[in-house]
Amino acid sequence: GENVEQHPSTLSVQEGDSAVIKCTYSDSASNYFPWYKQELGKRPQLIIDIRSNVGEKKDQRIAVTLNKTAKHFSLHITETQPEDSAVYFCAAQRSNDYKLSFGAGTTVTVRA
Amino acid sequence: EAQVTQNPRYLITVTGKKLTVTCSQNMNHEYMSWYRQDPGLGLRQIYYSMNVEVTDKGDVPEGYKVSRKEKRNFPLILESPSPNQTSLYFCASSSGLGNTEAFFGQGTRLTVV
Repeated sequence: GENVEQHPSTLSVQEGDSAVIKCTYSDSASNYFPWYKQELGKRPQLIIDIRSNVGEKKDQRIAVTLNKTAKHFSLHITETQPEDSAVYFCAAQRSNDYKLSFGAGTTVTVRA
Repeated sequence: EAQVTQNPRYLITVTGKKLTVTCSQNMNHEYMSWYRQDPGLGLRQIYYSMNVEVTDKGDVPEGYKVSRKEKRNFPLILESPSPNQTSLYFCASSSGLGNTEAFFGQGTRLTVV
């Protein structure tokens, strides 16, 4: 089955700096890669996703890049703010499957 | 409002006492699943269901049961809970195969003593 690895497990950044989280996946048939954000005490919620026919996608201060050859994808957060502090999960999914395989999560702390 | 609702939010129980965590969605989603979240291990899938009366094991199914008698409901049953099932549990639903957003419930914090 799919194995998703996520690094780093924790990340502390100064407010205004950028944060980058990296994930690798094992199943070459995976073609959908969402990112979920989980604030403290809350449920995970989708913040951005990318499909395999696209190399990069941006939404305001967040962006995701995908390298299908190397089987890795990354989340980039620019101009970090205190409300970006949360746990972030990457995931991978095949188009003919319902199952989402999640990474172990990255705890991001934005220092004021 | 589109949502996934879990109950209870918090539960403390004793070893061996059967319990059920309910999950309901109002989005007519076909796919529902249960995850447990433990520090450093991310979200691990327990069971999933592709439609009414269709369920299957996820990655960590031992000690759990599920049922899907109606499309909207997907309860998680612990027949004989043990302390290693102390965890944060999430129910999630999505509308179709691949490339669709998963909507999560609020979570259930379970402690087994």
